[in-house]
Amino acid sequence: SQTIHQWPATLVQPVGSPLSLECTVEGTSNPNLYWYRQAAGRGLQLLFYSVGIGQISSEVPQNLSASRPQDRQFILSSKKLLLSDSGFYLCAWSSVGGVKTQYFGPGTRLLVL
Amino acid sequence: AQTVTQSQPEMSVQEAETVTLSCTYDTSESDYYLFWYKQPPSRQMILVIRQEAYKQQNATENRFSVNFQKAAKSFSLKISDSQLGDAAMYFCAYRSADYGGSQGNLIFGKGTKLSVKP
Repeated sequence: SQTIHQWPATLVQPVGSPLSLECTVEGTSNPNLYWYRQAAGRGLQLLFYSVGIGQISSEVPQNLSASRPQDRQFILSSKKLLLSDSGFYLCAWSSVGGVKTQYFGPGTRLLVL
Repeated sequence: AQTVTQSQPEMSVQEAETVTLSCTYDTSESDYYLFWYKQPPSRQMILVIRQEAYKQQNATENRFSVNFQKAAKSFSLKISDSQLGDAAMYFCAYRSADYGGSQGNLIFGKGTKLSVKP
């Protein structure tokens, strides 16, 4: 069966510091991968998606970037964090074919101080 | 652009009773998918149920069922025999079947917080 991991689970970072959040998927090949952000009390906002290694599409212009160095690894990064980057970050995967239902990881809580 | 609306910010249900969460959406597309996700206090998003728009039969998953009204663009979730573990945020989501450049991106509603009273 497929599993999706995210780390770290919680992160507290000062403003201006760099960021690296990692997401890995097991049990499937060539998945579509997604990064979402959820601000407190709000719905999910799609940040990036990827259909293959090195292929990244950005949905929202921002302070963040994403990379996919391996088939089942998806990384969310920032060179300098802003206060507004605080939130809950969720990674998801879907199959390439069929309904493409998205399955989510456990998430990372990021607090920028 | 497609939108998803959940008009009930909060709902409450007595344990063992039935509750229905509402969701409406706006689209000009004829082929799409609809989903309900549950987000418990742990905040991991868990798929509850999904519905293909081309299917007239309403989807069911154990105690969870949907009432899909395509013409009305309505997609409500019914939870039967509510349990304490059902307490969570519930999100309705839409995905186009015509991907174009979006590759299956989900559009979420703002969610409904469900409380279950013992």
